[in-house]
Amino acid sequence: LAKTTQPISMDSYEGQEVNITCSHNNIATNDYITWYQQFPSQGPRFIIQGYKTKVTNEVASLFIPADRKSSTLSLPRVSLSDTAVYYCLVGDFRDEKLTFGTGTRLTIIP
Amino acid sequence: DAMVIQNPRYQVTQFGKPVTLSCSQTLNHNVMYWYQQKSSQAPKLLFHYYDKDFNNEADTPDNFQSRRPNTSFCFLDIRSPGLGDAAMYLCATSRGGIRSGTSLGNEQFFGPGTRLTVL
Repeated sequence: LAKTTQPISMDSYEGQEVNITCSHNNIATNDYITWYQQFPSQGPRFIIQGYKTKVTNEVASLFIPADRKSSTLSLPRVSLSDTAVYYCLVGDFRDEKLTFGTGTRLTIIP
Repeated sequence: DAMVIQNPRYQVTQFGKPVTLSCSQTLNHNVMYWYQQKSSQAPKLLFHYYDKDFNNEADTPDNFQSRRPNTSFCFLDIRSPGLGDAAMYLCATSRGGIRSGTSLGNEQFFGPGTRLTVL
């Protein structure tokens, strides 16, 4: 399984765009990149998934460079309710298992 | 609209007293998972079922067992809880990756968790 490295914590002010970068140097050909969000005392929630280039949904964007050795989750105009832990996961699309890394604790400041 | 339901949300047990946590799903997903999450740590996969096919993680202690009597329900049994087993236990489901024949089949849907306290 590809190992992921992401910042332990980040702070940002309300209304700003937040970019969280994840490093996954040994990503394999069949691996997808997936991000989950977890609020305190709740289960993680799927945010976005991608393989290469850019993926956008109503919540976030995911940027993946051509070498796929890193990825960046972009949250536009964050609010206090975006305070959570964000996990970057890399896994084989053929495998039903997930391995969570350490995650990034994002704190939004008023 | 509840999709993955866990009962109870909070469970208190005594050291060594068996406890069972339950999970049910309305998504008709093939796969059900159990994770353990300790404070300020990432969720750790204990085991999962693909239909009736049980898959145990290599480092899951024998103290943890699971049952899946039907598609909708899955149980986590802790035979002799120790103080170190106090944690949030998360149940999740997915369609099942490539075996399910869908491209995003490995997206997991989590329940709210059961917080276990061991006295």
